[in-house]
Amino acid sequence: DAKTTQPTSMDCAEGRAANLPCNHSTISGNEYVYWYRQIHSQGPQYIIHGLKNNETNEMASLIITEDRKSSTLILPHATLRDTAVYYCIVRANTGTASKLTFGTGTRLQVTL
Amino acid sequence: GAVVSQHPSRVICKSGTSVKIECRSLDFQATTMFWYRQFPKKSLMLMATSNEGSKATYEQGVEKDKFLINHASLTLSTLTVTSAHPEDSSFYICSARDSYNQPQHFGDGTRLSIL
Repeated sequence: DAKTTQPTSMDCAEGRAANLPCNHSTISGNEYVYWYRQIHSQGPQYIIHGLKNNETNEMASLIITEDRKSSTLILPHATLRDTAVYYCIVRANTGTASKLTFGTGTRLQVTL
Repeated sequence: GAVVSQHPSRVICKSGTSVKIECRSLDFQATTMFWYRQFPKKSLMLMATSNEGSKATYEQGVEKDKFLINHASLTLSTLTVTSAHPEDSSFYICSARDSYNQPQHFGDGTRLSIL
């Protein structure tokens, strides 16, 4: 899997939008961008994924640049419960390369 | 939807004991299951991948005789840590998906402590 680069940590005020960046400059044409988060002492939770178009669901929005070398996960109205480690992972959707390899992620702290 | 249940959530046992962890997909068929290990303040490390009815594929450095994986049905995979020692103490997390183009969904993990 292509490697990703994320900031180690970020802070966000409750109620504000949290914008988490991710660089994946070596992404291949068949690799998707996946976002997961891990709240302390729990298993990772799937958030969203996309290939090249922007995506939105009930949890978040994913903005992928036109060259696909970077993306941003947006939590529109962060709450204290969104405090977690957020992982950006690129993964092919076919064959043996389609497994998730976790990096170190971004530790998001949502504050009052 | 896409719920993965992992049991037990916590295990404390003596050195030399073998421990079995179960992972079930509750509302989908898990064609492929994954087992990860996570040490404190570290990221998840993939241990092995298993497809239903086939032998597991282990990542480099993971002892297949130490960590026995069985994926006998489309909804159940087990990880057995054989003759566990204190260095095997960790957070073990399973994951499952039903097809290549679907996201992996994770269980809530098993915290294993070997005394």
